[in-house]
Amino acid sequence: EAAVTQSPRNKVTVTGGNVTLSCRQTNSHNYMYWYRQDTGHGLRLIHYSYGAGNLQIGDVPDGYKATRTTQEDFFLLLELASPSQTSLYFCASSATGGGYEQYFGPGTRLTVL
Amino acid sequence: QQQVRQSSQSLTVWEGETAILNCSYENSAFDYFPWYQQFPGEGPALLIAIRSVSDKKEDGRFTIFFNKREKNLSLHIKDSQPGDSATYFCAASGDRGSALGRLHFGAGTQLIVIP
Repeated sequence: EAAVTQSPRNKVTVTGGNVTLSCRQTNSHNYMYWYRQDTGHGLRLIHYSYGAGNLQIGDVPDGYKATRTTQEDFFLLLELASPSQTSLYFCASSATGGGYEQYFGPGTRLTVL
Repeated sequence: QQQVRQSSQSLTVWEGETAILNCSYENSAFDYFPWYQQFPGEGPALLIAIRSVSDKKEDGRFTIFFNKREKNLSLHIKDSQPGDSATYFCAASGDRGSALGRLHFGAGTQLIVIP
């Protein structure tokens, strides 16, 4: 079965702080995604990647960087965290893009004070 | 700009009733429409999906009705159970070789099934 793990599961930081969210998938999937989930907005795509070293910009990329170091690992970086980035973050993977099933991780709840 | 819209933020039904969740989309180039189900504390998971060449897809108690001309679709949950209480996301994607080749999610509908 598809497996996507995220760490940490919860994180509290202060405004201006540096945060790295980690995601690992063991499905040998090519595509990986970072979403944020907020009430009233659903799931919004931040960045995605279709392979190691590749990065594509999503719908809400401002204030976020991402890096895909290997096929398995995808990181989301907030270098100067702001309260507006308080959210629930999900990582997902899929075999290919578009019309194929995405497998989601359990999420990371980030609070920026 | 919301490319996928879900008409209700929440929906409450009694156990045994049919829950109907509605969704509409903007881009006529979308051709794949999955519904994801999310329980509290978990990530979303694929529930059922339809391609635009079909107008209906059934899987047990869950059925998608799709209207290409009107650019809308609905998820029907027959004989709703308390265990169906969750948030349901409608999504859409198009040609995976283009900029449309990623999922666009709606805002979600929280379904509550009262025993």
